[in-house]
Amino acid sequence: EDKVVQSPLSLVVHEGDTVTLNCSYEVTNFRSLLWYKQEKKAPTFLFMLTSSGIEKKSGRLSSILDKKELFSILNITATQTGDSAVYLCAPGGSNYKLTFGKGTLLTVNP
Amino acid sequence: EAQVTQNPRYLITVTGKKLTVTCSQNMNHEYMSWYRQDPGLGLRQIYYSMNVEVTDKGDVPEGYKVSRKEKRNFPLILESPSPNQTSLYFCASSWRRSGPSGANVLTFGAGSRLTVL
Repeated sequence: EDKVVQSPLSLVVHEGDTVTLNCSYEVTNFRSLLWYKQEKKAPTFLFMLTSSGIEKKSGRLSSILDKKELFSILNITATQTGDSAVYLCAPGGSNYKLTFGKGTLLTVNP
Repeated sequence: EAQVTQNPRYLITVTGKKLTVTCSQNMNHEYMSWYRQDPGLGLRQIYYSMNVEVTDKGDVPEGYKVSRKEKRNFPLILESPSPNQTSLYFCASSWRRSGPSGANVLTFGAGSRLTVL
């Protein structure tokens, strides 16, 4: 059975702080890992990582995958209130299925 | 605009009254899937479809049916809804890709909030 564990489950920070969100996984025939952001609506895509050690960056967000240790991290620097959301980690296997973690609820206070 | 459209967005119904949640995508995606999202449990896959007339169970298929008669549509059917099917439902679609990066970027619909009394 595929497993995805995200930590912490929730996090409260102040604007300007840097946060690190964690995701560990066990997925049959792992192919890639996706990060999504969910505000009070549908999840929206952030990153897809397929190779270890490759850091993906998009502005203040970055992510790294470690395929040997089976984990990924999502970093957000200089957080803003608009970053408040649930962040979902979703590793994918060869059957095209994405298995989602329970998410990390990030709250950024002004 | 490329999108996944679900209807209804909100529905309150009673136990045993059959209902269908429609899902349509305009991106010519082969792969479509239904998820339900519940507090503390996250997103769990109900059913998925690799292509027309090809469907299979996900992790929580009990009480649900699906069909894929056309590429763009993937309705979710609750034949006899029960209160434990009260949930937020998402339809999603993607390309099917072969090769090392085979997993896919799912595009989600806006969600359908279902309450079964």
